[in-house]
Amino acid sequence: DAGVTQSPTHLIKTRGQQVTLRCSPKSGHDTVSWYQQALGQGPQFIFQYYEEEERQRGNFPDRFSGHQFPNYSSELNVNALLLGDSALYLCASSLAPGPSSYNEQFFGPGTRLTVL
Amino acid sequence: GDSVTQMEGPVTLSEEAFLTINCTYTATGYPSLFWYVQYPGEGLQLLLKATKADDKGSNKGFEATYRKETTSFHLEKGSVQVSDSAVYFCALSEGSYIPTFGRGTSLIVHP
Repeated sequence: DAGVTQSPTHLIKTRGQQVTLRCSPKSGHDTVSWYQQALGQGPQFIFQYYEEEERQRGNFPDRFSGHQFPNYSSELNVNALLLGDSALYLCASSLAPGPSSYNEQFFGPGTRLTVL
Repeated sequence: GDSVTQMEGPVTLSEEAFLTINCTYTATGYPSLFWYVQYPGEGLQLLLKATKADDKGSNKGFEATYRKETTSFHLEKGSVQVSDSAVYFCALSEGSYIPTFGRGTSLIVHP
């Protein structure tokens, strides 16, 4: 089992550019969540995708958008990059969200984005 | 809104020392509580969890008890190893099932 994989590992962009990050969920998982982890901070929830739709969203501007594909993999897109977007971007996969017990999220190693 | 406060690090210990990392939370309802661990260069891993008051989560020698009266979920281990060196995150979730994380506490264990 490959677990959650993310690509690329590292990325350097300049202000104003656009970036796309990719995530493949753990085998058997159908839900993908994205988090931003600034240096020295805990992860902040960006949004969650299930059945190819955005289901929940954190307090992030519309410059952050995403997509989920039929094979459950996902992309995170960030437009008009700002210096403050520099962070580790984590993808987490889980089983379908629901009102029952908490579904454990499995995290990938992250993509380190540096905006110059 | 919901929030989690952790003790600031780094926490530096010698091997076999006792570990406590403090965590307190603020929530409107009855959250589930978690500890995650992040080893260098890796993603977060769920270490343990507790879903109701007085529950004790435990894993790999680590323990934490859900204390509703003090809104706390302190992480403890009786004898740390060098391999426990990592960043530890306290988190809660309720309603949306999306965890809210603390800022993390770095643990450094020396031989």
